[in-house]
Amino acid sequence: KQEVTQIPAALSVPEGENLVLNCSFTDSAIYNLQWFRQDPGKGLTSLLLIQSSQREQTSGRLNASLDKSSGRSTLYIAASQPGDSATYLCAVRVGAAGNKLTFGGGTRVLVKP
Amino acid sequence: ETGVTQTPRHLVMGMTNKKSLKCEQHLGHNAMYWYKQSAKKPLELMFVYNFKEQTENNSVPSRFSPECPNSSHLFLHLHTLQPEDSALYLCASSPGEAGHLNEQFFGPGTRLTVL
Repeated sequence: KQEVTQIPAALSVPEGENLVLNCSFTDSAIYNLQWFRQDPGKGLTSLLLIQSSQREQTSGRLNASLDKSSGRSTLYIAASQPGDSATYLCAVRVGAAGNKLTFGGGTRVLVKP
Repeated sequence: ETGVTQTPRHLVMGMTNKKSLKCEQHLGHNAMYWYKQSAKKPLELMFVYNFKEQTENNSVPSRFSPECPNSSHLFLHLHTLQPEDSALYLCASSPGEAGHLNEQFFGPGTRLTVL
């Protein structure tokens, strides 16, 4: 059974510092991995989707890497801003047929001005 | 806005009530999902519908009854719930269930409180 872990559960950084968020998964046979952002009491916003054949994806200040063999993904957010404060979730999809996502518990990020 | 809407946004109900949650997607997608997000627990998949057919029931108690009348609408009918069912219920959609770039888009959720 796939298990997804995100450590730390919470993170506080001063504005301008780079953020590094970690996601690990137990079964390396994933189809893709998706990073989401969730603001308090709100739904999820998709940030980046990395296919299993890719090593990284970039969008603006965001960069996500994927190392399937070690079961890890890292989300980098450059030059953090107070508006980046949110909970970041990673989810893995196992198999091409069936779009079942297994989520980690999330990392709650606070960027202090 | 992700193109997925949910109503109501907040719901308080007693254990003997019957209520329904509604999800609508305006993205032309064919797959829709219900997730449950409880405090201090990871998001859990509840149900998956693909082309109006249920393809996944993740051992959800029968007091939760989904309905998918068409590819754009998904309902979750609730009856005789328990206080531990209080959670944020999230709906999502994707172009299909299988396939390559099959990103899921989420609605804002319904915050449910069961008294």
